[in-house]
Amino acid sequence: GENVEQHPSTLSVQEGDSAVIKCTYSDSASNYFPWYKQELGKGPQLIIDIRSNVGEKKDQRIAVTLNKTAKHFSLHITETQPEDSAVYFCAAIYNQGGKLIFGQGTELSVKP
Amino acid sequence: EPEVTQTPSHQVTQMGQEVILRCVPISNHLYFYWYRQILGQKVEFLVSFYNNEISEKSEIFDDQFSVERPDGSNFTLKIRSTKLEDSAMYFCATTGDVVSYGYTFGSGTRLTVV
Repeated sequence: GENVEQHPSTLSVQEGDSAVIKCTYSDSASNYFPWYKQELGKGPQLIIDIRSNVGEKKDQRIAVTLNKTAKHFSLHITETQPEDSAVYFCAAIYNQGGKLIFGQGTELSVKP
Repeated sequence: EPEVTQTPSHQVTQMGQEVILRCVPISNHLYFYWYRQILGQKVEFLVSFYNNEISEKSEIFDDQFSVERPDGSNFTLKIRSTKLEDSAMYFCATTGDVVSYGYTFGSGTRLTVV
């Protein structure tokens, strides 16, 4: 069935350390994998995405890697800052109509 | 940067009442979605809408739910007879196409059913 598993559910790091969040998906036909940051009381904000024809994408301190064979993708945040503290969701596209299936979310806490 | 606007930001309603949640999509976007997030849980797909009809709906989207685009600009979600378990954040999302994606989410409506 349609499923995206995300781990860990909570992650606490010291400022300046790296944070890694991992997701697996079930549908091998999925071809688009966005990551969203959600701050309290706000909607999900896209921070980075990757398509199935690419193995890695980087945007400043944020990177995403994709392993299509293993059906997993990961978010890497380097040099974390307190303002990175939020809930992060991975998602995968599940059909041509563009339905997103979300992971369970990771609450990232960056301690100064 | 273009935004998806949702109103109201917070709605409190009595169980059994009808509610209408409103969304103003980005002007050139053609694909519209509603998602729901129960407090502390993940974001769940409810329905997708394209060319004035539902493209897909989830099991959550039962006969109590409906969507429409009444005036070519607003995109609404109606819950006919609210239940306590409908309490959640409801997010509207829109995109210009389903090839390049580029979804934009609204800031959500917090629905509280009492």
